[in-house]
Amino acid sequence: DAGVTQSPTHLIKTRGQQVTLRCSPISGHKSVSWYQQVLGQGPQFIFQYYEKEERGRGNFPDRFSARQFPNYSSELNVNALLLGDSALYLCASSLVRGEWTEAFFGQGTRLTVV
Amino acid sequence: SQKIEQNSEALNIQEGKTATLTCNYTNYSPAYLQWYRQDPGRGPVFLLLIRENEKEKRKERLKVTFDTTLKQSLFHITASQPADSATYLCALDTGTASKLTFGTGTRLQVTL
Repeated sequence: DAGVTQSPTHLIKTRGQQVTLRCSPISGHKSVSWYQQVLGQGPQFIFQYYEKEERGRGNFPDRFSARQFPNYSSELNVNALLLGDSALYLCASSLVRGEWTEAFFGQGTRLTVV
Repeated sequence: SQKIEQNSEALNIQEGKTATLTCNYTNYSPAYLQWYRQDPGRGPVFLLLIRENEKEKRKERLKVTFDTTLKQSLFHITASQPADSATYLCALDTGTASKLTFGTGTRLQVTL
């Protein structure tokens, strides 16, 4: 079984540009979450989508947006890029195990803003 | 404000010894606490989960404790091996693991 796949793996953008990151969850997983991980820090929650609806949003500006498609894949968009947006962007799909949910992370997209 | 703290300095231990990593939190009431392993350039991988009403959980060479009074979790790796070298993250889960709140992680280096 394929794990969570993210594309692209690496990306270099210029300040002010826009970027779209893509994520395919594990087959059968209906929930996708996005995290930003700055070097030396833990991942920070950006969004969660379940069945194409936004279920949670972290403390990120409106320049960040996301959506989920009928096949449960997801895109994260970031507009008007800033140098501080340089980070590893992680996608996680979730499997409900009774009263708790296990998160499976992709390998991430390394975004560098210059 | 809510805060999760892990040892920011790297932990260096000798092969065969027990590694102990600490996760302290304030202003949270997590239902669960999870531990993840992250290798450089890779996404975190789930290791163990412990519930708020559990004191201890074991899995092979791994042991996690959870003290909700002290607001602390300890993560132990016994008989450590060089392959255990990685960054270990604790994450608080309020009941929907789709939103996890992570600590900064502790880098473990196991040497021969």
